[in-house]
This record gives sequence, C-alpha cells and structure tokens, in this order.
Amino acid sequence: GQNIDQPTEMTATEGAIVQINCTYQTSGFNGLFWYQQHAGEAPTFLSYNVLDGLEEKGRFSSFLSRSKGYSYLLLKELQMKDSASYLCAVIDSNYQLIWGAGTKLIIKP
Amino acid sequence: DVKVTQSSRYLVKRTGEKVFLECVQDMDHENMFWYRQDPGLGLRLIYFSYDVKMKEKGDIPEGYSVSREKKERFSLILESASTNQTSMYLCASSHSVEMNTEAFFGQGTRLTVV
Repeated sequence: GQNIDQPTEMTATEGAIVQINCTYQTSGFNGLFWYQQHAGEAPTFLSYNVLDGLEEKGRFSSFLSRSKGYSYLLLKELQMKDSASYLCAVIDSNYQLIWGAGTKLIIKP
Repeated sequence: DVKVTQSSRYLVKRTGEKVFLECVQDMDHENMFWYRQDPGLGLRLIYFSYDVKMKEKGDIPEGYSVSREKKERFSLILESASTNQTSMYLCASSHSVEMNTEAFFGQGTRLTVV
C-alpha cells in the first residue's frame, strides 16, 4: 500500500527553527508538495520538490531525498502565525496525489 | 486573485437526505477534486475530474456521486446522507494533468448529518 508518515504534532518557540519530516512509500514518485493549513481554513501551497536537494523560499525551505523517500520542511524565525498544520503530499506513478495526515505545529511565545 | 468557491461553509442535514455540494473555480483549470478531511486521516479523495463530463473514482467514492457539466463547476452529491458522512469537504482545482502544479482549495464545507 501507499503510505506517507508525518509526526502528528510538534511544538516550537517563537523565533526558533523547526523541521517537519515526511517519509513516503508510494508506487513511483513524480513530485512532492508541502501545504499549510490554518485551523478551519483551506490548505495553501508552500513548496514543490521533484529533484533532490533544498528549495529555499524566504523563511521556509523544503528538502527532498528520493533515494531515501524523505522530505522535510524547515521553518526559520518562527512567528505565531506559523501555528498551523503542514501537509505533505506525493505524486505517485499514476499521477495521483497521496496525502499525509498532516503535522500540527504549535508555536509558543 | 484566483478563487475556488464552495457554496456553503456549514451545512446540517438529516439522515437520508440528498445533499448537493457545489464548487466553482475561475481559473479555467482542467482538474477538479473533491476531498473529505477527518482528524488524523488527512485528505481522502472522493472523486476527481480532468475534463467536462469526465469523472474518476477516488479512494472513497461509496455513497457519493459527482457532476461536471461545465468546466468551472464540479458538484458533489450525497445520494442518501448518513451520519458517517459528517466531515469537512474540500474542493480543489489544478491545471496540470501530471499533477505537478499547485492545487487551489475552496474554503471547505463542514457538513453535519444528524
């Protein structure tokens, strides 16, 4: 079966750095997304990785290792507004999106 | 500003009722999706459509049907609502057949079946 694993919940301090991991076992791989979802709101796009390496976009970076079936989202200089769920999603060999259950990130002052 | 609009933010329906959830996108996207989101389970695909009048079953199509008569509109139908269909329903659209472009989501419909 296809599976995406993320931690259920993480806590971090305002101003700090946090890394949210995502491991996947899917039938093929054609790309990986990270989305942010604030409570009661729709998911919004953060990043897309298809090649190995680090993609940086402001305070957020996303890393991919296809050989390890592993990605992480790195959030720097955490702000209270970063409190949200972070969803990892993989495009499989049939061009279907497989979603993880999401990681709830709690930011404390 | 791109937009995916769902017809209702909150709905309460009775068991056995036929329920229509409407979704409209203004981006001329080919792909449209209906998901349900439940705590601890992530997004689960109900149905998707990659063209007008085309539909494909997702992972959990039982108890649901869809309609796409126009490119911009994708409707989800609960034929006979049951309490286990109480959930958050999210509509999304995207451009690429290869799925490698971002999906835009509607604000969600929280459906309660009593």
